Amino acid sequence: QLQLQESGPGLVKPSETLSLTCTVSGGSISSSSYYWGWIRQPPGKGLEWIGSVYYSGKTNYNPSLKSRVTISVDTSKNQFSLTLSSVTGADTAVYYCARQDYSTSGSNYFDYWGQGTLVTVSS
Amino acid sequence: SYELAQPPSVSVPPGQTVSIPCSGEKLGDKYACWYQQKPGQSPVLVIYKDSKRPSGIPERFSGSNSGNTATLTISGTQAMDEADYYCQAWDSNNVVFGGGTKLTVL
Repeated sequence: QLQLQESGPGLVKPSETLSLTCTVSGGSISSSSYYWGWIRQPPGKGLEWIGSVYYSGKTNYNPSLKSRVTISVDTSKNQFSLTLSSVTGADTAVYYCARQDYSTSGSNYFDYWGQGTLVTVSS
Repeated sequence: SYELAQPPSVSVPPGQTVSIPCSGEKLGDKYACWYQQKPGQSPVLVIYKDSKRPSGIPERFSGSNSGNTATLTISGTQAMDEADYYCQAWDSNNVVFGGGTKLTVL
């Protein structure tokens, strides 16, 4: 059974950089049919896609966050990572990593999710 | 940028059928999927490719997509179905989520 686990600091100061890692177990991150994504959810609000990465390193980012986001992959560790720079209180959220079933036909969906990790931006 | 709209809340008596709409420009030309999220839990995929159910999802969950609207339908709604539901589509290499609908079973 595929499992994803987020890890990283739960508290980040304003203007600093948020960094999270997702470790994938029970399957290979190098599978050809999948991207690996980050999604966040501010307290009491809806889901927001941050971006996704393919095992080759190819990325897609949410245009509204693109200037501050970098997502990378480490196939040797079966991990992918998120960095979000210049954070503010608006970046306080539960951050989820998930597997994205990807098809050029347009069918894209997240079928496995991590448990999520709360990141609070505060001094 | 592409947008998906959902009603903030919907309610249904136990045992009845409820439909949750998700609207977007020419959404029927894209694939839609749906997630269920209960408080304090991660989202769970309940419908993908408009109408397909992942393994383990009860048959009472069904989906359709045509024109500008995708619809999640729950037949014989149970108390355990009370949750937030999110639609999602893919447009120009971007993943787009609807704002979510809170389903109350009362």
